[in-house]
Amino acid sequence: QVQLVESGGGLVKPGGSLRLSCAASGFTLSDSYMSWIRQAPGKGLEWVSYISSSGTTIYHGDSVKGRFTISRDNAKNSLYLQMNSLRAEDTALYYCARARDPYGSGSYHFDYWGQGTLVTVSS
Amino acid sequence: SYVLTQPPSVSVAPGQTARITCGVNNIGSKSVHWYQQKPGQAPVVVVYDDSDRPSGIPERFSGFNSGNTATLTISRAEAGDEADYYCQVWKTNSDHPGVFGGGTKLTVL
Repeated sequence: QVQLVESGGGLVKPGGSLRLSCAASGFTLSDSYMSWIRQAPGKGLEWVSYISSSGTTIYHGDSVKGRFTISRDNAKNSLYLQMNSLRAEDTALYYCARARDPYGSGSYHFDYWGQGTLVTVSS
Repeated sequence: SYVLTQPPSVSVAPGQTARITCGVNNIGSKSVHWYQQKPGQAPVVVVYDDSDRPSGIPERFSGFNSGNTATLTISRAEAGDEADYYCQVWKTNSDHPGVFGGGTKLTVL
């Protein structure tokens, strides 16, 4: 069965860095488009980053552009999010999710999600 | 900026029909996806591409998208439907394509 397991979250000081990982199983990661989505405590969902199956197409949200970098290692069935210059407003539960476009229309939705890893940015 | 507007809360009596809206100018030209999130759990897609349902999602969940408003309809509401619901679109030809609505808390009274 499909499983996504995030890790790497924790407490970090403002200006610090963290690298999140997402281990995928139960499906072929190399055929899949992936995203990171976050949720601040008590708040709504915010899309963060997207990476195509080959890693050649990458997008980041405006709030993290220039600070966060999404990457993948298909041989290790893993997705990553390198987070630099962290701010208090980056405090959130970070989910990795598989992005799917069943009709090839260019519109992706997220059909599988992990349980998330918590990132807390505080001094 | 591109902001999907949802009502913060919707209430429905058990057995009745709940409608949750998601609005932005000309949303009908895009595909809209809907997620259900219960406390302490990851979101689950309940409708994708405006009106398709993943396997395992009851037929009570349906979607429609036209003009400036997309709507998630939950028929014969049950206590177990109480959750936060989010709409989402993917803006093609954008370098920050993923957008979620602010979410709607559905209360089944």
